[in-house]
Amino acid sequence: DGGITQSPKYLFRKEGQNVTLSCEQNLNHDAMYWYRQDPGQGLRLIYYSQIVNDFQKGDIAEGYSVSREKKESFPLTVTSAQKNPTAFYLCASSIKGTGFYEQYFGPGTRLTVT
Amino acid sequence: QKEVEQNSGPLSVPEGAIASLNCTYSDRGSQSFFWYRQYSGKSPELIMFIYSNGDKEDGRFTAQLNKASQYVSLLIRDSQPSDSATYLCAVSPGNNRKLIWGLGTSLAVNP
Repeated sequence: DGGITQSPKYLFRKEGQNVTLSCEQNLNHDAMYWYRQDPGQGLRLIYYSQIVNDFQKGDIAEGYSVSREKKESFPLTVTSAQKNPTAFYLCASSIKGTGFYEQYFGPGTRLTVT
Repeated sequence: QKEVEQNSGPLSVPEGAIASLNCTYSDRGSQSFFWYRQYSGKSPELIMFIYSNGDKEDGRFTAQLNKASQYVSLLIRDSQPSDSATYLCAVSPGNNRKLIWGLGTSLAVNP
């Protein structure tokens, strides 16, 4: 089945530790995105990538880093510099061909940092 | 600053009624418009997208776009309790792959 996978579903870390969230897609989509969602708030874009080996900062990139070495994979690292890392993290992808840029989401990773 | 606005709700409708969800956007150059459904604790799911003025129907869902007035709406006919969720409106400026997101409207369908 084609889709977007994120692992793990729940992640717990101690303050001061870096943590990497996985996002993989087998939809052959060229663009991938990372969002953060906090309770009662909308989606905020962290980073996005339109092609392999290239990515752009979103609205809240500070304290995060990404890589795009393969078309299928777009991992997100939450560094210790991120002041409030506890949130629901969503990965999405979109295909270039339609021209409409609709995005499809993975199931998300809920990160708790204590 | 490009913005997308939605009433936060909650919008409460009885089972079987029509639920009407509205979204306004500030960028007149916006080209594509999307409705996502998000159940509590889950990720957003694309319901519909529309890019031309007028109505687009898919089953019980109808998206309506009025570019002159800069609003897009989602109608849900014969609402069911399973439709209870938060509905997110997203807009594509068209010049890149980013979407501008509204904060969502919470819908409760009461049996």
